[in-house]
Amino acid sequence: EPEVTQTPSHQVTQMGQEVILRCVPISNHLYFYWYRQILGQKVEFLVSFYNNEISEKSEIFDDQFSVERPDGSNFTLKIRSTKLEDSAMYFCASSGPRIYGYTFGSGTRLTVV
Amino acid sequence: AQTVTQSQPEMSVQEAETVTLSCTYDTSESDYYLFWYKQPPSRQMILVIRQEAYKQQNATENRFSVNFQKAAKSFSLKISDSQLGDAAMYFCAYRSLLTQGGSEKLVFGKGTKLTVNP
Repeated sequence: EPEVTQTPSHQVTQMGQEVILRCVPISNHLYFYWYRQILGQKVEFLVSFYNNEISEKSEIFDDQFSVERPDGSNFTLKIRSTKLEDSAMYFCASSGPRIYGYTFGSGTRLTVV
Repeated sequence: AQTVTQSQPEMSVQEAETVTLSCTYDTSESDYYLFWYKQPPSRQMILVIRQEAYKQQNATENRFSVNFQKAAKSFSLKISDSQLGDAAMYFCAYRSLLTQGGSEKLVFGKGTKLTVNP
């Protein structure tokens, strides 16, 4: 069964550093998303991406964040100048036909120290 | 804005028994999708079952079924013949129908932690 692949599975970074989280969506999917889950809390939407541009973003997704699909297969989330409160599980997801649910990746656990 | 409420932070069930997880939601939209996702200790989000609001028939996937009550805005998940591998966090989620100008995003509840006792 097709999978959404995320790398790395765990990243530790120092406060103030930039991180890039990577995702390879399912190949024939056209819609891409990032969500995050702070430990013990619910899953929160960050951003959706379609046709090489952001289609929707949440209030969490401020200027510190950016997304890119640099080469037609990868989908990245960049967090500039990380803060302690950015520590969370970050999930990438993709979807094809709109009537179906997303397929989520296995997540990247980001720890900011 | 839509909201999703899961009123049971934790539930437990004996192996082979049946358990029902509750979910209610609030929306002014007439058509939408509802989902249950499972998050095992590995923390991957796994789609369990989905329901289109325009379908009156309740969705079923093997041991998993839903009780969808549109008027009551209720979407409960029933797990039959519970297995040890069913132990996980279960999240209820809502998604708008884009043809009605709705949002792309999934709106999640806070989750229910299910424990399966041998």
